[in-house]
This record gives sequence, C-alpha cells and structure tokens, in this order.
Amino acid sequence: SQKIEQNSEALNIQEGKTATLTCNYTNYSPAYLQWYRQDPGRGPVFLLLIRENEKEKRKERLKVTFDTTLKQSLFHITASQPADSATYLCALARTGGSYIPTFGRGTSLIVHP
Amino acid sequence: NAGVTQTPKFRILKIGQSMTLQCTQDMNHNYMYWYRQDPGMGLKLIYYSVGAGITDKGEVPNGYNVSRSTTEDFPLRLELAAPSQTSVYFCASSYSDRQNTEAFFGQGTRLTVV
Repeated sequence: SQKIEQNSEALNIQEGKTATLTCNYTNYSPAYLQWYRQDPGRGPVFLLLIRENEKEKRKERLKVTFDTTLKQSLFHITASQPADSATYLCALARTGGSYIPTFGRGTSLIVHP
Repeated sequence: NAGVTQTPKFRILKIGQSMTLQCTQDMNHNYMYWYRQDPGMGLKLIYYSVGAGITDKGEVPNGYNVSRSTTEDFPLRLELAAPSQTSVYFCASSYSDRQNTEAFFGQGTRLTVV
C-alpha cells in the first residue's frame, strides 16, 4: 500500500541551529512533493513545492531536497527561530490524473531559545 | 480577499443528528477538497471535486456526502453523526494544474459528536 512517513517524534533544537525534517514514501510515483506548516488550531499553510525532476529548492531560510531513488525528501530550516516552532506536513501528488495531495502525519518542530 | 472560509468553527452534535459544514472560496479555484484530521494524525481526504458538478470519493468517504453546484461552494454533509466522526475538518482549494498546485486551507471546523 502507499505510505507517506514522517517522524512522529517531535524534533527539539536550539535556536540558531538547522532543523532537518524527513519525509519518506513508498509505492508512489509522485509528480511533486509539497511542504506545509501547521500551527495549533489553524489550517496548513503552503511553504514549498518540489517537482519530480528537481533535486533541490530554496526559499529564504528553507531548503527542500527530493531524491526519487531513495523516495525521500528532506526539509531544512537554517538559523531556526522559536517562531519556526510548528508542525510540518509533507504532501505528495501522484503522476497522471488529478493532482490530489496526500498528506503525511507531520512532524512537530520545537525551537528552544 | 477572504481565501477559503469555513463555517461553523465549532459544533457539538448528538449521535444521529445531521449537519452541513460550509466551505466557500473566492479564488476561482477549480479543485476543492475536504480533509479530516484526528489528533496526532495527518490529513485524510474525505471527498474532492475537480470542478462544478464533479465530485469523487477520497480515502475516508463513508458517512459523508458532498455537492459542488458552483465553483465557489463545496459543502460537506454528515447525515447520521457518529462518535467516530469527532474530528477537525478542513476544506481546501487549489488550481491543481501542473503549474499551480498550492492548496489553500480554511481555518477548520472542530466537530464533537456525543
């Protein structure tokens, strides 16, 4: 069956360090992979998208890598800040047909001052 | 520009009652979605629509119905509420062509069935 796996344990890091979150998938041929941020009591907010033919994408302090051989995406936040504390969700959409995003469980990031 | 608006924000239902969760978007998106999110879990797709008049089942459609009579509105209907439907419901919309795939989410509806 198709699975999207994100670390269920919270990631605790110190302010200023780089946070790295992982998204692994099986039995997918994704057209693209997205990362979203979700704050408590709020809906997810889109951060970055990376397509199947791209290896890396950057936006300000955010960087996403996509390895279709390893079936893995890494999401990096450099120079992390307490305000970056949130749950981060990855979502995949399959090639062909409708591009309906399927979400992982998300990983909680806690940045300590 | 309001984006995706969901109503109500909170609701408590008794077992067997019915209700409709409202969702409207003002971005002229063709795709709309309903997800549910249980504590510690990801978003599970209930139903989706690729345009007015077209709907399809997602991963967990049982106990729900939808309609899409206009581009803007995508209501979700619970006919006979059950405790298993206690969850947070999110509506989302997107263009979902290969160039524009970002999904915009509403603030969610927290539903408790007692």
